[in-house]
Amino acid sequence: EAQVTQNPRYLITVTGKKLTVTCSQNMNHEYMSWYRQDPGLGLRQIYYSMNVEVTDKGDVPEGYKVSRKEKRNFPLILESPSPNQTSLYFCASSLGAEGHQPQHFGDGTRLSIL
Amino acid sequence: GQNIDQPTEMTATEGAIVQINCTYQTSGFNGLFWYQQHAGEAPTFLSYNVLDGLEEKGRFSSFLSRSKGYSYLLLKELQMKDSASYLCAVLDSNYQLIWGAGTKLIIKP
Repeated sequence: EAQVTQNPRYLITVTGKKLTVTCSQNMNHEYMSWYRQDPGLGLRQIYYSMNVEVTDKGDVPEGYKVSRKEKRNFPLILESPSPNQTSLYFCASSLGAEGHQPQHFGDGTRLSIL
Repeated sequence: GQNIDQPTEMTATEGAIVQINCTYQTSGFNGLFWYQQHAGEAPTFLSYNVLDGLEEKGRFSSFLSRSKGYSYLLLKELQMKDSASYLCAVLDSNYQLIWGAGTKLIIKP
Protein backbone atom coordinates (compact mmCIF):
# COMPACT_ATOMS: atom_id res chain seq x y z
CA GLU A 1 0.00 0.00 0.00
CA ALA A 2 1.31 3.43 -1.00
CA GLN A 3 1.79 5.48 2.13
CA VAL A 4 3.72 8.02 4.14
CA THR A 5 4.59 6.75 7.61
CA GLN A 6 5.44 9.01 10.52
CA ASN A 7 6.65 7.99 13.96
CA PRO A 8 5.84 8.55 16.70
CA ARG A 9 2.17 9.51 16.42
CA TYR A 10 2.18 11.13 19.83
CA LEU A 11 5.00 12.39 22.03
CA ILE A 12 5.12 14.32 25.27
CA THR A 13 8.58 15.47 26.24
CA VAL A 14 10.42 18.21 28.08
CA THR A 15 12.21 21.35 27.01
CA GLY A 16 15.71 20.80 25.71
CA LYS A 17 15.55 17.04 25.18
CA LYS A 18 16.53 16.29 21.59
CA LEU A 19 13.96 14.38 19.56
CA THR A 20 13.55 13.02 16.05
CA VAL A 21 10.33 12.42 14.17
CA THR A 22 10.81 9.93 11.37
CA CYS A 23 9.08 10.03 8.00
CA SER A 24 9.23 7.36 5.33
CA GLN A 25 7.45 7.01 2.00
CA ASN A 26 7.25 3.96 -0.27
CA MET A 27 6.17 5.69 -3.49
CA ASN A 28 9.61 6.64 -4.80
CA HIS A 29 8.64 10.30 -4.52
CA GLU A 30 11.29 12.93 -5.11
CA TYR A 31 9.68 15.75 -3.13
CA MET A 32 9.17 15.60 0.62
CA SER A 33 8.10 18.24 3.07
CA TRP A 34 7.44 18.89 6.76
CA TYR A 35 4.57 21.05 8.01
CA ARG A 36 3.28 22.14 11.35
CA GLN A 37 -0.39 22.85 11.87
CA ASP A 38 -1.63 25.15 14.60
CA PRO A 39 -5.23 26.28 15.23
CA GLY A 40 -6.19 29.25 13.07
CA LEU A 41 -2.89 29.28 11.21
CA GLY A 42 -3.25 26.43 8.77
CA LEU A 43 -0.33 24.41 7.47
CA ARG A 44 3.06 26.09 7.62
CA GLN A 45 6.02 24.57 5.86
CA ILE A 46 9.11 23.92 7.97
CA TYR A 47 11.54 22.36 5.50
CA TYR A 48 11.30 20.66 2.15
CA SER A 49 13.48 18.48 -0.03
CA MET A 50 13.42 18.30 -3.81
CA ASN A 51 15.60 15.17 -3.88
CA VAL A 52 18.32 13.25 -2.04
CA GLU A 53 20.84 15.57 -0.34
CA VAL A 54 18.81 18.65 -1.35
CA THR A 55 16.95 20.44 1.43
CA ASP A 56 15.61 23.98 1.78
CA LYS A 57 13.99 26.11 4.44
CA GLY A 58 10.28 26.68 4.38
CA ASP A 59 8.38 29.42 6.17
CA VAL A 60 9.16 28.45 9.77
CA PRO A 61 12.51 26.58 9.90
CA GLU A 62 13.86 28.03 13.18
CA GLY A 63 14.55 25.35 15.76
CA TYR A 64 14.32 22.46 13.31
CA LYS A 65 16.75 20.42 11.24
CA VAL A 66 16.20 17.85 8.51
CA SER A 67 18.25 15.49 6.40
CA ARG A 68 17.63 13.56 3.18
CA LYS A 69 20.26 10.86 2.88
CA GLU A 70 17.93 8.41 1.19
CA LYS A 71 15.02 9.03 -1.13
CA ARG A 72 12.45 7.38 1.11
CA ASN A 73 13.35 8.99 4.46
CA PHE A 74 13.08 12.57 5.65
CA PRO A 75 13.49 12.87 9.44
CA LEU A 76 12.66 16.03 11.36
CA ILE A 77 15.02 16.84 14.22
CA LEU A 78 14.37 19.16 17.14
CA GLU A 79 17.80 19.66 18.75
CA SER A 80 16.51 21.60 21.76
CA PRO A 81 12.71 21.58 21.77
CA SER A 82 10.82 24.46 23.35
CA PRO A 83 7.14 24.80 24.33
CA ASN A 84 6.37 26.95 21.25
CA GLN A 85 7.11 23.88 19.14
CA THR A 86 4.10 22.11 20.62
CA SER A 87 2.05 21.40 17.53
CA LEU A 88 0.66 18.84 15.09
CA TYR A 89 3.30 17.88 12.52
CA PHE A 90 2.73 16.40 9.09
CA CYS A 91 5.17 14.90 6.65
CA ALA A 92 4.14 14.89 3.00
CA SER A 93 5.55 13.63 -0.28
CA SER A 94 4.81 14.00 -3.97
CA LEU A 95 6.30 12.83 -7.26
CA GLY A 96 7.74 16.29 -7.81
CA ALA A 97 7.16 19.87 -6.71
CA GLU A 98 5.87 21.02 -10.07
CA GLY A 99 2.46 20.94 -11.64
CA HIS A 100 -0.49 18.96 -10.50
CA GLN A 101 1.26 16.44 -8.30
CA PRO A 102 -0.85 16.18 -5.13
CA GLN A 103 0.90 15.76 -1.83
CA HIS A 104 0.38 12.58 0.16
CA PHE A 105 0.37 13.16 3.89
CA GLY A 106 1.37 11.02 6.80
CA ASP A 107 -1.07 10.54 9.69
CA GLY A 108 0.56 13.28 11.74
CA THR A 109 2.62 13.51 14.92
CA ARG A 110 1.23 15.38 17.88
CA LEU A 111 4.10 16.83 19.89
CA SER A 112 3.76 18.36 23.34
CA ILE A 113 6.82 20.09 24.77
CA LEU A 114 6.52 20.83 28.49
CA GLY B 1 3.30 39.17 1.06
CA GLN B 2 1.46 36.07 0.04
CA ASN B 3 -2.03 35.51 1.32
CA ILE B 4 -4.84 32.97 1.06
CA ASP B 5 -8.26 33.85 2.47
CA GLN B 6 -11.05 31.43 3.28
CA PRO B 7 -14.02 31.69 5.63
CA THR B 8 -13.21 30.20 9.02
CA GLU B 9 -16.41 28.23 9.41
CA MET B 10 -19.58 27.41 7.47
CA THR B 11 -22.73 25.49 8.32
CA ALA B 12 -24.95 23.65 5.87
CA THR B 13 -27.78 21.11 5.90
CA GLU B 14 -27.55 17.49 4.87
CA GLY B 15 -28.65 17.09 1.24
CA ALA B 16 -28.02 20.74 0.38
CA ILE B 17 -25.31 22.48 -1.64
CA VAL B 18 -22.49 24.58 -0.21
CA GLN B 19 -19.86 26.77 -1.83
CA ILE B 20 -16.55 27.43 -0.08
CA ASN B 21 -14.65 30.41 -1.41
CA CYS B 22 -10.92 31.03 -1.56
CA THR B 23 -9.17 34.22 -2.64
CA TYR B 24 -5.44 34.47 -3.06
CA GLN B 25 -2.61 36.92 -3.58
CA THR B 26 0.61 35.10 -4.36
CA SER B 27 3.94 35.56 -6.11
CA GLY B 28 3.01 33.88 -9.35
CA PHE B 29 0.58 31.04 -9.88
CA ASN B 30 1.13 27.44 -10.92
CA GLY B 31 -2.12 25.92 -9.81
CA LEU B 32 -4.59 25.71 -6.94
CA PHE B 33 -5.39 22.68 -4.81
CA TRP B 34 -8.28 21.78 -2.54
CA TYR B 35 -7.77 19.28 0.25
CA GLN B 36 -10.18 17.78 2.76
CA GLN B 37 -9.12 17.24 6.35
CA HIS B 38 -11.24 15.43 8.92
CA ALA B 39 -10.58 16.35 12.53
CA GLY B 40 -7.36 14.79 13.79
CA GLU B 41 -6.53 13.27 10.42
CA ALA B 42 -4.23 14.03 7.52
CA PRO B 43 -5.32 16.22 4.60
CA THR B 44 -6.40 14.32 1.51
CA PHE B 45 -6.34 15.63 -2.06
CA LEU B 46 -9.65 16.69 -3.64
CA SER B 47 -8.89 18.73 -6.75
CA TYR B 48 -6.40 20.72 -8.78
CA ASN B 49 -7.12 23.70 -11.07
CA VAL B 50 -4.59 25.50 -13.23
CA LEU B 51 -6.83 26.82 -16.02
CA ASP B 52 -9.91 29.01 -15.61
CA GLY B 53 -13.19 27.20 -15.37
CA LEU B 54 -15.00 24.45 -13.56
CA GLU B 55 -13.65 20.97 -12.85
CA GLU B 56 -16.28 18.46 -11.82
CA LYS B 57 -15.55 15.29 -9.91
CA GLY B 58 -18.66 13.53 -8.65
CA ARG B 59 -20.38 15.52 -5.90
CA PHE B 60 -17.44 17.94 -5.72
CA SER B 61 -16.59 20.68 -8.22
CA SER B 62 -13.85 23.30 -8.15
CA PHE B 63 -13.80 26.59 -10.01
CA LEU B 64 -10.92 28.93 -10.79
CA SER B 65 -10.66 32.51 -12.03
CA ARG B 66 -7.00 33.47 -12.30
CA SER B 67 -7.75 37.09 -13.23
CA LYS B 68 -9.75 37.51 -10.03
CA GLY B 69 -7.46 35.44 -7.82
CA TYR B 70 -10.49 33.40 -6.83
CA SER B 71 -11.57 29.82 -6.50
CA TYR B 72 -14.46 27.98 -4.96
CA LEU B 73 -15.21 24.40 -3.99
CA LEU B 74 -18.81 23.32 -4.54
CA LEU B 75 -20.17 20.37 -2.61
CA LYS B 76 -23.51 18.93 -3.70
CA GLU B 77 -25.90 16.51 -1.99
CA LEU B 78 -24.14 17.05 1.30
CA GLN B 79 -23.63 14.05 3.55
CA MET B 80 -22.76 14.00 7.23
CA LYS B 81 -19.33 12.56 6.35
CA ASP B 82 -18.56 15.82 4.50
CA SER B 83 -18.16 17.52 7.87
CA ALA B 84 -14.48 18.43 7.75
CA SER B 85 -12.09 21.28 7.12
CA TYR B 86 -11.42 22.25 3.52
CA LEU B 87 -7.99 23.65 2.73
CA CYS B 88 -7.17 25.84 -0.24
CA ALA B 89 -3.51 25.93 -1.35
CA VAL B 90 -1.79 27.80 -4.18
CA LEU B 91 1.41 26.74 -5.92
CA ASP B 92 3.45 29.91 -6.35
CA SER B 93 6.09 30.83 -8.96
CA ASN B 94 8.74 28.88 -7.02
CA TYR B 95 6.47 25.82 -6.89
CA GLN B 96 5.96 26.26 -3.17
CA LEU B 97 2.51 25.57 -1.74
CA ILE B 98 0.92 28.46 0.12
CA TRP B 99 -1.88 27.24 2.38
CA GLY B 100 -5.02 28.90 3.61
CA ALA B 101 -6.06 28.39 7.22
CA GLY B 102 -8.94 26.18 6.13
CA THR B 103 -12.73 26.33 6.32
CA LYS B 104 -14.46 24.18 8.89
CA LEU B 105 -17.69 22.85 7.39
CA ILE B 106 -20.41 21.71 9.78
CA ILE B 107 -23.22 19.61 8.34
CA LYS B 108 -26.51 19.53 10.23
CA PRO B 109 -29.19 16.87 9.77
